[in-house]
Amino acid sequence: AAGVIQSPRHLIKEKRETATLKCYPIPRHDTVYWYQQGPGQDPQFLISFYEKMQSDKGSIPDRFSAQQFSDYHSELNMSSLELGDSALYFCASSGSGLGLNEQFFGPGTRLTVL
Amino acid sequence: DQQVKQNSPSLSVQEGRISILNCDYTNSMFDYFLWYKKYPAEGPTFLISISSIKDKNEDGRFTVFLNKSAKHLSLHIVPSQPGDSAVYFCAASVQGGSEKLVFGKGTKLTVNP
Repeated sequence: AAGVIQSPRHLIKEKRETATLKCYPIPRHDTVYWYQQGPGQDPQFLISFYEKMQSDKGSIPDRFSAQQFSDYHSELNMSSLELGDSALYFCASSGSGLGLNEQFFGPGTRLTVL
Repeated sequence: DQQVKQNSPSLSVQEGRISILNCDYTNSMFDYFLWYKKYPAEGPTFLISISSIKDKNEDGRFTVFLNKSAKHLSLHIVPSQPGDSAVYFCAASVQGGSEKLVFGKGTKLTVNP
């Protein structure tokens, strides 16, 4: 079965550079979530989109922005990178409907800021 | 303020025995609970979930129990297998809203052969 695809899997950037992370949800899933997991931490919710509209926002810095495109893929744009942005970034997708929807996670992008 | 708590950072059990992972939550608005399994450098893998209208859900070797009055849930794995060794995250959400997941800090399960 198709899973959530994230690219790139690994990314190394310098401080103050920009980064773009991409997420391709499971086919027919219309909701995308972004989470950040620091070393030894639990995943923290950043932002979510439903039908290409932002549905919720968590502890996402103003330096970060995201959007969901017409094909439902999503991109997380990170500018003025700081050392503390080094983390695993997960994308998850779910399908809307009347039932309860589990979120299915991608393999993550490991961002290292030097 | 940690709304979902997994107070045991680690758990070690023998192969074939039962593994019991615990999770507590403080937000009474949570009405959907999930367990994820995570290997290093991989994304969390969905295991099992339970709605607040139920007190038990079973899927093969995995059973989740929910005690709403105590705001407590547990994941039972029986029999435990060495391949079950991983970090297990408890997560909770409020259905009908953004449904974002709030995670606990995880419990590292080691199943010894």
